[in-house]
Amino acid sequence: GESVGLHLPTLSVQEGDNSIINCAYSNSASDYFIWYKQESGKGPQFIIDIRSNMDKRQGQRVTVLLNKTVKHLSLQIAATQPGDSAVYFCAATGGNSGGSNYKLTFGKGTLLTVNP
Amino acid sequence: ETGVTQTPRHLVMGMTNKKSLKCEQHLGHNAMYWYKQSAKKPLELMFVYSLEERVENNSVPSRFSPECPNSSHLFLHLHTLQPEDSALYLCASSPGLVQETQYFGPGTRLLVL
Repeated sequence: GESVGLHLPTLSVQEGDNSIINCAYSNSASDYFIWYKQESGKGPQFIIDIRSNMDKRQGQRVTVLLNKTVKHLSLQIAATQPGDSAVYFCAATGGNSGGSNYKLTFGKGTLLTVNP
Repeated sequence: ETGVTQTPRHLVMGMTNKKSLKCEQHLGHNAMYWYKQSAKKPLELMFVYSLEERVENNSVPSRFSPECPNSSHLFLHLHTLQPEDSALYLCASSPGLVQETQYFGPGTRLLVL
């Protein structure tokens, strides 16, 4: 089955710096990836997604990069702000057998702390 | 707000109690999910409903019983829970099942004494 893991459980950055959060996945057939942000006391909030036919996708201050060769994706946050402090999860789906192609497999999360 | 609401937000129950968690989505989605989130663990998928039919029961103990009366509402009925069931229970919905973004509610923080 799929496993998804983040490289670092915590990341601390200065306000205004760029942040990069990394994630690795195991199933080369995975074809859809999502980044979520979870603030304390809240549910995960969708940030950005990317499908396997793309290498890069940009949103507002966020960029997701997908490297299918090494099964790695990253989330880049530009000009990180205190409000960006949260736990960030990557999730992957697709390539599952038995018709359960909808299952999202989540990583454990990286806690991003932004210092003012 | 994501358009997915959950009640109650916090719940404390004894092991002999029966309680229910409620989820409602206002997004017109066809699929709904229950997840369990424990400290320092990835989200665990519990149940999946598509068009009010259960399509997944991810080896969840029978003390958790889901109900989906229509595509907008999802319940999780709880009875004779164990302390290790204490966790954040998250509901999510998506337009369909495959390659769809799931939108999460705020969760119910459950403590079993």
